[in-house]
Amino acid sequence: QKEVEQDPGPLSVPEGAIVSLNCTYSNSAFQYFMWYRQYSRKGPELLMYTYSSGNKEDGRFTAQVDKSSKYISLFIRDSQPSDSATYLCAMRRTTDSWGKLQFGAGTQVVVTP
Amino acid sequence: GAGVSQSPRYKVAKRGQDVALRCDPISGHVSLFWYQQALGQGPEFLTYFQNEAQLDKSGLPSDRFFAERPEGSVSTLKIQRTQQEDSAVYLCASSSLQIGAGSQPQHFGDGTRLSIL
Repeated sequence: QKEVEQDPGPLSVPEGAIVSLNCTYSNSAFQYFMWYRQYSRKGPELLMYTYSSGNKEDGRFTAQVDKSSKYISLFIRDSQPSDSATYLCAMRRTTDSWGKLQFGAGTQVVVTP
Repeated sequence: GAGVSQSPRYKVAKRGQDVALRCDPISGHVSLFWYQQALGQGPEFLTYFQNEAQLDKSGLPSDRFFAERPEGSVSTLKIQRTQQEDSAVYLCASSSLQIGAGSQPQHFGDGTRLSIL
């Protein structure tokens, strides 16, 4: 079983809807959590970075971390067709002090006009 | 350029050939990472450099894989005697992260798509 689990989708939503994405993890040593967006044939682009449990908001994006449940979420409000991409969660252990990341498999999101 | 640059963007090789993939990190970035991304999967860590020192190569799948960063800037990932299972996208990332800092983002290049026939 992988340390980071993420539903691969695809997740199809109409334009303007809220996109809800999540990942679960098994290792409590993960303390830093990130969400990346990856367009087809492009590299991952960092969207959100969180450390502690709770919510972090940046524009239309909200990231949530629940360390007690080992569960992280990303919400995208007022979704646009340009949000169609693969969203990857990523995590880092405190012992990997120089930044080695563990990624989920990615969820493909399609926002239809 | 302003971002991480990787070349070539696409590489096709026959099984058994050696290949070399290049990464130009963002200028001044101390840390450099290589990841392998199989189709439909997330990136998997291969190796990490801090300047010219290779501090972690625990993700390299076999001794056919070799990476170097001799002057602490450009890095090359070399795969010898390629196999079909080596077909993947190879991503390079750099950051200004220093050991212990933990908070600097990794900036990714667009990868090299390697196909082994």
